[in-house]
Amino acid sequence: DTAVSQTPKYLVTQMGNDKSIKCEQNLGHDTMYWYKQDSKKFLKIMFSYNNKELIINETVPNRFSPKSPDKAHLNLHINSLELGDSAVYFCASSQPTGTGAYNEQFFGPGTRLTVL
Amino acid sequence: DQQVKQNSPSLSVQEGRISILNCDYTNSMFDYFLWYKKYPAEGPTFLISISSIKDKNEDGRFTVFLNKSAKHLSLHIVPSQPGDSAVYFCAASGSNTGKLIFGQGTTLQVKP
Repeated sequence: DTAVSQTPKYLVTQMGNDKSIKCEQNLGHDTMYWYKQDSKKFLKIMFSYNNKELIINETVPNRFSPKSPDKAHLNLHINSLELGDSAVYFCASSQPTGTGAYNEQFFGPGTRLTVL
Repeated sequence: DQQVKQNSPSLSVQEGRISILNCDYTNSMFDYFLWYKKYPAEGPTFLISISSIKDKNEDGRFTVFLNKSAKHLSLHIVPSQPGDSAVYFCAASGSNTGKLIFGQGTTLQVKP
């Protein structure tokens, strides 16, 4: 049983296309995240949703649009893909502690996006 | 501006010896620190964490030390095992945001 799963694992596409990456967690967590790991291996947060509500929105081009149909799913849709979007995208989830703090985040296996 | 830095891109140690991975941060608002381990083609896996109210947290072979005045934390692995070979990321968060700021990672190689 995979705790945080992502599909697809690999995605190769042409510039200008629109693509989606799906994420699901079966941990019962309220909060989900999208991270981007670029070619320099930096992991940077993009978005966070808590119980389907957007709570973190970093400086990300508006071509990227997260969607959370329910608290177990957080999908990432990317419009008009560019070469610089090539990266590994990780989904993660965590559970707030109830005191306003957050516990550790559990990561999915990543989706390697290659834009040609 | 890199708020969390891991200045050693790589570290090589002999099996059975101690591995010490270091991490520095600049933001004094950070109050929760974590270490993640990552194997190739997998997502980061949580290893150990420490709150800013502590200066040490131990879990089996892994111990994290926090020096708030120096804005420095370290991960000690004793004894190191070949299976520990991976990329280790330090991360920090603060102000109850749930937002993790990651360092650039240190690749640890444990030689048999």
